[in-house]
Amino acid sequence: QVQLQESGPGLVKPSGTLSLTCAVSGGSFSTSNWWSWVRQPPGKGLEWIGEIYHSGSTNNNPSLKSRVTMSVDKSKNQFSLKLSSVTAADTAVYYCARGYCSGTGCYLDYWGQGTLVTVSS
Amino acid sequence: DIQMTQSPSSLSASVGDRVTITCRASQSISNSLNWYQEKPGKAPKLLIYVASSLQSGVPSRFSGSGSGTDFTLTISSLQPEDFATYYCQQSYSTPYTFGQGTKLEIK
Repeated sequence: QVQLQESGPGLVKPSGTLSLTCAVSGGSFSTSNWWSWVRQPPGKGLEWIGEIYHSGSTNNNPSLKSRVTMSVDKSKNQFSLKLSSVTAADTAVYYCARGYCSGTGCYLDYWGQGTLVTVSS
Repeated sequence: DIQMTQSPSSLSASVGDRVTITCRASQSISNSLNWYQEKPGKAPKLLIYVASSLQSGVPSRFSGSGSGTDFTLTISSLQPEDFATYYCQQSYSTPYTFGQGTKLEIK
């Protein structure tokens, strides 16, 4: 059973950088999966942030422009998200998830429990 | 970006009812459509992938259909634990986008 767990500061100051890590357990990290980040502002819907392959290749949401940096540490079975120049609009529950791609399509089949990050001074 | 539009945004129903939620894509996405269930304080849970495949462990009362731009999620007989918010998501092209959600409430 694959498990994911987010960790990182719950409070970030405006204009600062949000940094989160997702630890993966119960499965091989270096398989054909895309490791993803999704966020949900309070009372709103889900927004896909981006994904990273175990090789380090990434796909990002252009809506976040160049503020997103993702990385992977295979030795620790974890991947990370950095979001720079944050504002109150970045306040959200941040989820990490495993993206699985079969021949017929891709989907997010395992999710972390989510972590609330608040941007406030 | 591909826009995903769900209808209705909210829905009241009773235990035992048959419920259908619709998701429409702004362009053809073949069958690259997934459905998730979200309950308060919990992570989203994958229900249906590639439009009609039931995720392991998900009750068979859930089913999905559609291709191209129009998709549906059907719950054949609502159970108390099904009252939640449902999201569709396209995985045809990045950025992967979600519908705005459908909140299913008890009548």
